[in-house]
Amino acid sequence: ELKVEQNPLFLSMQEGKNYTIYCNYSTTSDRLYWYRQDPGKSLESLFVLLSNGAVKQEGRLMASLDTKARLSTLHITAAVHDLSATYFCAPSYGGATNKLIFGTGTLLAVQP
Amino acid sequence: DTAVSQTPKYLVTQMGNDKSIKCEQNLGHDTMYWYKQDSKKFLKIMFSYNNKELIINETVPNRFSPKSPDKAHLNLHINSLELGDSAVYFCASSQVMTAGELFFGEGSRLTVL
Repeated sequence: ELKVEQNPLFLSMQEGKNYTIYCNYSTTSDRLYWYRQDPGKSLESLFVLLSNGAVKQEGRLMASLDTKARLSTLHITAAVHDLSATYFCAPSYGGATNKLIFGTGTLLAVQP
Repeated sequence: DTAVSQTPKYLVTQMGNDKSIKCEQNLGHDTMYWYKQDSKKFLKIMFSYNNKELIINETVPNRFSPKSPDKAHLNLHINSLELGDSAVYFCASSQVMTAGELFFGEGSRLTVL
């Protein structure tokens, strides 16, 4: 059975601190996406990781992909309150169908 | 200009009724999807169409029937609604051959009473 697990499920952190969210998936995939969802809102694409060893950075967020370990990480540097949201990872399956299987989500709460 | 738009945004209805949700994208993408997000925020893929052809059909009750009149539109019809159908339904689109990300609509919150 295909599983995508995120760790932690809930993260409360102080502004200025660093932390990493982990995404483990059970079945090999060579592509993975990270999304952000604010309460009651849609999903916003953050990163597209298309190969083993891919690393992308945008502002205080950095994502990486290790396809051999079936692991992706989302690193938060010097967190600010505006980063509070739920973050989802989603490896892609089904080749051309680009079927994204979403992880369990990580609710991030950054405290001032 | 809204890239992926869904209507209605909210539906409240009684068990046993039938309802439809419409989705339109103006991004020129060739593939559209329906996802269901439950109360625990878990997102599950339901269907996908590529140029009007059904390419993903997950284990979903046959009360759910998608239809794609053209590649810019994907509708979802639900018959005989049940309490467990209450969720937020998201439409998304992508350009599959470029391995691009999915662009999501704002969601349609369905409440079955």
